[in-house]
Amino acid sequence: GAGVSQTPSNKVTEKGKYVELRCDPISGHTALYWYRQSLGQGPEFLIYFQGTGAADDSGLPNDRFFAVRPEGSVSTLKIQRTERGDSAVYLCASSLGAVSPLHFGNGTRLTVT
Amino acid sequence: TQLLEQSPQFLSIQEGENLTVYCNSSSVFSSLQWYRQEPGEGPVLLVTVVTGGEVKKLKRLTFQFGDARKDSSLHITAAQPGDTGLYLCAGRDNYGQNFVFGPGTRLSVLP
Repeated sequence: GAGVSQTPSNKVTEKGKYVELRCDPISGHTALYWYRQSLGQGPEFLIYFQGTGAADDSGLPNDRFFAVRPEGSVSTLKIQRTERGDSAVYLCASSLGAVSPLHFGNGTRLTVT
Repeated sequence: TQLLEQSPQFLSIQEGENLTVYCNSSSVFSSLQWYRQEPGEGPVLLVTVVTGGEVKKLKRLTFQFGDARKDSSLHITAAQPGDTGLYLCAGRDNYGQNFVFGPGTRLSVLP
């Protein structure tokens, strides 16, 4: 079956630009997570959705970062006024519920020049 | 914030050797998971441990959850080049619904 799909796989943008990263979870998975992974490090939690609502957004680093999941399926992570320090791999994961294992996509590698 | 530490950070061994990697925290976790991640891909779940003292075996991999549910270990017997990758432990945050990841152990098994 189809796994978690993330697009684009790679994104290069200039400092100060706006970017959107898309995550298409496994069908039927109600929980959706965004993580950020820098080179040589483990994934860092950003935000968690249960259905359409953000159940925990405590990991968003500042107000330049925002995520939505309007219909409880596809989610978009939006970054305004990108900075070079935003460069990382952005991982999306979905699960059947809060206590179920995470299924990750292959990530979007964001490079801010 | 609950934090996880992993050791060693890097490990390079020859095919056929045994190894153990560790995941430690000062916090108690309700459950802990181990993932393996290969370059260019997302982490893939290996196992979930829930009960203190629990031991789970997956072929040549043995996972143990500490009695106090603060630490875990992964032991690999007769390592193979296909075991190469980044091994991540993740604990379910008791204060929220998210999973906290450790920094990982990068394992290289040389043929």
